[in-house]
Amino acid sequence: AQSVTQLDSQVPVFEEAPVELRCNYSSSVSVYLFWYVQYPNQGLQLLLKYLSGSTLVKGINGFEAEFNKSLTSIHLRKPSVHISDTAEYFCAAIPYGQNFVFGPGTRLSVLP
Amino acid sequence: NAGVTQTPKFQVLKTGQSMTLQCAQDMNHEYMSWYRQDPGMGLRLIHYSVGAGITDQGEVPNGYNVSRSTTEDFPLRLLSAAPSQTSVYFCASSLQGNKGYTFGSGTRLTVV
Repeated sequence: AQSVTQLDSQVPVFEEAPVELRCNYSSSVSVYLFWYVQYPNQGLQLLLKYLSGSTLVKGINGFEAEFNKSLTSIHLRKPSVHISDTAEYFCAAIPYGQNFVFGPGTRLSVLP
Repeated sequence: NAGVTQTPKFQVLKTGQSMTLQCAQDMNHEYMSWYRQDPGMGLRLIHYSVGAGITDQGEVPNGYNVSRSTTEDFPLRLLSAAPSQTSVYFCASSLQGNKGYTFGSGTRLTVV
C-alpha cells in the first residue's frame, strides 16, 4: 500500500532563514505528488503539485519542491521564511488510479 | 465562486446522537471526498465519490454514511456519534481526482 512519510513532525526556524521540509513516498508505480499548507483554524491550501516533467516545481508563496524519483522524495524548500509561513504542511500522493494518501504533517514554526 | 462550503463550522454532540455534515461545491467538480484530521495522523479518507450516484469507502468508513444525489452536494452522516469521532472533518472536491483537491474550511466536531 502507498504510504507517505514526513520525517519531521516539527521544524522551528528563525525568520529569514532557509527551510526544507522532507517528504518520502513508497510506491512501485508512478504517482502524483502534492504539498498542502494549513494555517491555524483553516482548511488546506494547495502549495504545489508534481504531475510530470521538470523535477523542480514552483509553488505559491515562494515555495518550491524538488522531485527525486530514485529517492522517492519530494522535499519542500523556501530560501527565506517569514513569520506568516508558520503553519502545518502536508505532503500527499496519489498513486495512479487511487485516492489521496496524506503524510502526518510537519508543523513549521518561524521564530522572530 | 464560493468553492467548497462546509456547514456547520463547529458542533458538539452527545454520544449516540446523529447528525449530518453538509458539503457543497459550485465548481462542477465530479470528485468529492470526506477526510478526518486527527493530531499526528494527517488526513484520513472516510468516503469519496467520483460522480453523482457513485460513492465508495475510504480508509476509515465505519460509523459514517454518504450519498451523492447531485454533483454539488456530498453530505456526511454520523449515524450514532461516538467520542472516537471527535475530530476535524474536511470536505474536498476536484475536477479530476489526480489533479489535486480544493478543500473546505472544515467542521470541528466534539462528541461528549
